[in-house]
Amino acid sequence: DIQMTQSPSSLSASVGDRVTITCRTGQGIGRDVAWYQQKPGQAPKRLFYAASTLQNGVPSRFSGSGSGTEFTLTISSLQPEDFATYYCLEYYSYPYTFGQGTNLEIK
Amino acid sequence: QVHLVESGGGVVQPGRSLRLSCAASYFISTNFAIHWVRQAPGKGLEWVSVISYDGNIEEYAHSVKGRFTISRDNSKNTVYLQMNSLRGEDTAVYYCARGNRSFDPWGQGTLVIVSS
Repeated sequence: DIQMTQSPSSLSASVGDRVTITCRTGQGIGRDVAWYQQKPGQAPKRLFYAASTLQNGVPSRFSGSGSGTEFTLTISSLQPEDFATYYCLEYYSYPYTFGQGTNLEIK
Repeated sequence: QVHLVESGGGVVQPGRSLRLSCAASYFISTNFAIHWVRQAPGKGLEWVSVISYDGNIEEYAHSVKGRFTISRDNSKNTVYLQMNSLRGEDTAVYYCARGNRSFDPWGQGTLVIVSS
């Protein structure tokens, strides 16, 4: 099974900051990674698939990159509505694996 | 736009069974797989199972293999998750989501509590 190691587990930042979240795997998985945002009491929403393809309606301040074993989600200028929990997902092979999550909090 | 609604959650004793449903407001048989993902209280996301658009392919997480069974009835636009031999660690919000590789959209989730 593929393991997804996501870091950091929590992050404190201010509005306007640039933040980066990373996911790493133990083996190459091409670009088969998606990123999700989850707010309290809500279902997750996909931000990216294929590592860097932006989901319709997601603001351009979000970017995704990476291939092989390392993947990143970057928010260029944090907005108040971006404070949430973020998860990466590998869908290279079953069983799929999510990262442990990153709780992005307001400083 | 596809809208998914989960139902069937509730409180169940350890060792008992429960069947969850995922109903789509749109034809789910249009070449899309359906996944189940769960989230224990205060925890992260765990992928549980997937069924292909035609029902021919099923996959499971190790934690549920042999206890859970996924199925679908495309005539009813509904996917089911039969959960047997439930354990305390199965307590979670269960979401269904549409997608052949990654998945989106998701339903709002249904809560399953396994407790005596």
